[in-house]
Amino acid sequence: DAKTTQPPSMDCAEGRAANLPCNHSTISGNEYVYWYRQIHSQGPQYIIHGLKNNETNEMASLIITEDRKSSTLILPHATLRDTAVYYCIVRAYSGGGADGLTFGKGTHLIIQP
Amino acid sequence: DTAVSQTPKYLVTQMGNDKSIKCEQNLGHDTMYWYKQDSKKFLKIMFSYNNKELIINETVPNRFSPKSPDKAHLNLHINSLELGDSAVYFCASSQATANSPLHFGNGTRLTVT
Repeated sequence: DAKTTQPPSMDCAEGRAANLPCNHSTISGNEYVYWYRQIHSQGPQYIIHGLKNNETNEMASLIITEDRKSSTLILPHATLRDTAVYYCIVRAYSGGGADGLTFGKGTHLIIQP
Repeated sequence: DTAVSQTPKYLVTQMGNDKSIKCEQNLGHDTMYWYKQDSKKFLKIMFSYNNKELIINETVPNRFSPKSPDKAHLNLHINSLELGDSAVYFCASSQATANSPLHFGNGTRLTVT
């Protein structure tokens, strides 16, 4: 079972910032928060990940609350190409090797022209 | 340069046949994975291999067998194909640490008739 809760769908106007929320209230101290997206039927694309601190890269920013129970992915200037299903994932680590990612249903983000 | 490549991209075959899907990564990662995405678009992990050792096997029928000749390759062999095996199969790779993102291939769409 996925350990995250996301809204099933969201709309955002082109050129505006898209803010995608995620709840992960049962996250453990050594678990990372990952964000991926899947455009149509392409392979999932890595966006960003973080542990405690906010993170930023060329694609997006990740804001993690101080208690780590929720996070927000921010796409600063959404374009039509950002229309996709966005997955927020808490990544477990077994210690003997990396566990894979457990995908939930994600948020279908639709960028409106 | 393709980081994770799968072949073939499309595979159409009849029930009862045996088929293989190949995956190669040139990222120097030590862990590789296979995921299945069914018609409802739910992404589910099937296997992961770390240093040629099976780490995860998520209730996958034993008709599915991963084969890893070396760290850069993880092939998926399927015996006695069934209609329900029709899906998109994604290969991925990462380092064996929770801080290492998975990189996915573009998928193989398998259709069993």
